[in-house]
Order: sequence, then C-alpha cells, then structure tokens
Amino acid sequence: ETGVTQSPTHLIKTRGQQVTLRCSSQSGHNTVSWYQQALGQGPQFIFQYYREEENGRGNFPPRFSGLQFPNYSSELNVNALELDDSALYLCASSLVASGGRETQYFGPGTRLLVL
Amino acid sequence: SQQGEEDPQALSIQEGENATMNCSYKTSINNLQWYRQNSGRGLVHLILIRSNEREKHSGRLRVTLDTSKKSSSLLITASRAADTASYFCATGTGGGNKLTFGTGTQLKVEL
Repeated sequence: ETGVTQSPTHLIKTRGQQVTLRCSSQSGHNTVSWYQQALGQGPQFIFQYYREEENGRGNFPPRFSGLQFPNYSSELNVNALELDDSALYLCASSLVASGGRETQYFGPGTRLLVL
Repeated sequence: SQQGEEDPQALSIQEGENATMNCSYKTSINNLQWYRQNSGRGLVHLILIRSNEREKHSGRLRVTLDTSKKSSSLLITASRAADTASYFCATGTGGGNKLTFGTGTQLKVEL
C-alpha cells in the first residue's frame, strides 16, 4: 500500500465525452504526476503538478488538463475523448527533494475505456 | 516516447533460479528506478539508484547502473512464483524527477 488512492477504478465513456479522474496523494507529498499506460506499453508522462502549479508536461494535447488542490489531491481532465485515450491512468505522488532522491509512489490506476 | 528499452521483453524461469533484466536509456539522468506491475494494476516501487551510484542492493534485488553505457540491470535472486509480474525501468530527469519508462520485461516464474 502506497497511500495513494485513485477514483474511479474503472470507467466507460463514449467518443467525444469528457472525463475527470481523481487522485489523493500520500500524506506529506507536494508533487503529483499523471501517466497514461496503453495496453502492453510502459507508462507515459502526461504532466506534473508541484504546489498547485504545472511543473512540466509530456507530449499530450491541451485537451488533457489537470489541477492540484491545496490539500495536494489532484484531478486529470480529458476533453473530447478519442478511442486511443483508452488506457490505464496512473497518478504518482512524491516529495520534491534534491539530489535525485525522489521516489514516486503510484496509485492503483483508473482503467478508462472509450467506445 | 519511451526513453528506455528493457531486455528481454519476456523471461520464463523456474522457481529458485535468478532472473536478470536489462534496461538501456538515451539521455542523462538524475536517477534510475525499477518498478513491478502485477496484472496491469498500479506500479510498485522496487529500488532507486542515483546517477552517481554504481550498485545497490535491497533484499533479493541487485541493481547496477553504468552511466557511460546508459544501461542498468536488475537481478532477482532465488525467484519465487510471486515474482511473476512486469518489470519496468524508469529514468528520472529534471526538477521534480519526471519519470520516463521503458517498455517492460514480463517475468514468469514457474513452480
């Protein structure tokens, strides 16, 4: 158990709809990152939030957006869903430190299916 | 895009044998981490090795890092059926340690 929780666990949407996924960070962690994992692939970095500000973004279009709240919980929003958005969405929390010591702790993921 | 590639893509061994997985990456890094994933669920952190370290141990795990070759290896000794999972290497870069994952090795440990 990492202390990172995600909701919902599974979700089915249709193309063109919008979806919001939620993540609750491990206590004391100020950074949350979101990843998309397509079937049979490694996770791909979507973006990261540090103290409620976006702190880096991967190669994902603007219809992927996020929020981090003062209690460090986070949301991932995806607009205009496409079939290729079907994937496991993982969030990870960490405590920013120096010297490359930041371990990221992952939640169990939300499996999204777009029909 | 995937930063690294694991080798082999799949590995099947008998319980009690050792399992070795390799990871190659492309750019300079802060650290390299190994994760385990069971049945497409969340990732479990196994071990982190910093860019200035060459070898690290944790229980039955041994990780090496060769930054000159941009490669790492994960050794699991005395494997158990419960070690059956997918294993990913991930390189941490930049402020905030954003992770770039490899393609994974599927390990199957048979009784």
